[in-house]
Amino acid sequence: SAVISQKPSRDICQRGTSLTIQCQVDSQVTMMFWYRQQPGQSLTLIATANQGSEATYESGFVIDKFPISRPNLTFSTLTVSNMSPEDSSIYLCSVEDPGTGAFFGQGTRLTVV
Amino acid sequence: GQQVMQIPQYQHVQEGEDFTTYCNSSTTLSNIQWYKQRPGGHPVFLIQLVKSGEVKKQKRLTFQFGEAKKNSSLHITATQTTDVGTYFCVTTSGTYKYIFGTGTRLKVLA
Repeated sequence: SAVISQKPSRDICQRGTSLTIQCQVDSQVTMMFWYRQQPGQSLTLIATANQGSEATYESGFVIDKFPISRPNLTFSTLTVSNMSPEDSSIYLCSVEDPGTGAFFGQGTRLTVV
Repeated sequence: GQQVMQIPQYQHVQEGEDFTTYCNSSTTLSNIQWYKQRPGGHPVFLIQLVKSGEVKKQKRLTFQFGEAKKNSSLHITATQTTDVGTYFCVTTSGTYKYIFGTGTRLKVLA
């Protein structure tokens, strides 16, 4: 099983600013995933981060708003740019372990005021 | 895109009562996974079902995959307060994309 450290665990940010969320995995993984969970809702995949190539974004999410870095096989960042109150959500990073499902970071609870 | 619906959206039960959540898809699923998310926590993998009609048990939890592989259920026998949380069914699209169901939020009243 993978252990994922995600930080910050929570933050309150001013609108118009940006926040970068970090995820560190205790083993090398090919793909890392970033999800958004709006209050009381399910998880929605934002993008898939591959080392050495640009992230693949899902419909409704764009690189300018959610730039992602993947400098090596154990680390990734997601930036939420030019934030508005509608960006208030929990953001989670994840890795997949074939046969045992996905492992998630603890999540970043973001409030934009 | 592919959608996976869960019912009920919310369920309140008295401790000791049974609980079931259902997961439905309009298309055939290659597999189904179940996750539990405690309040304030992150989703935690419970189990994966792959075969048509498959049934798996984990203590008080019973998981089923429908014969047509379009639905699944999670049944908890004699709920406890530790069962509180949101239960998600999840399927995969392609090789890696996870699609989360809408979730069922369970409250257990002591």
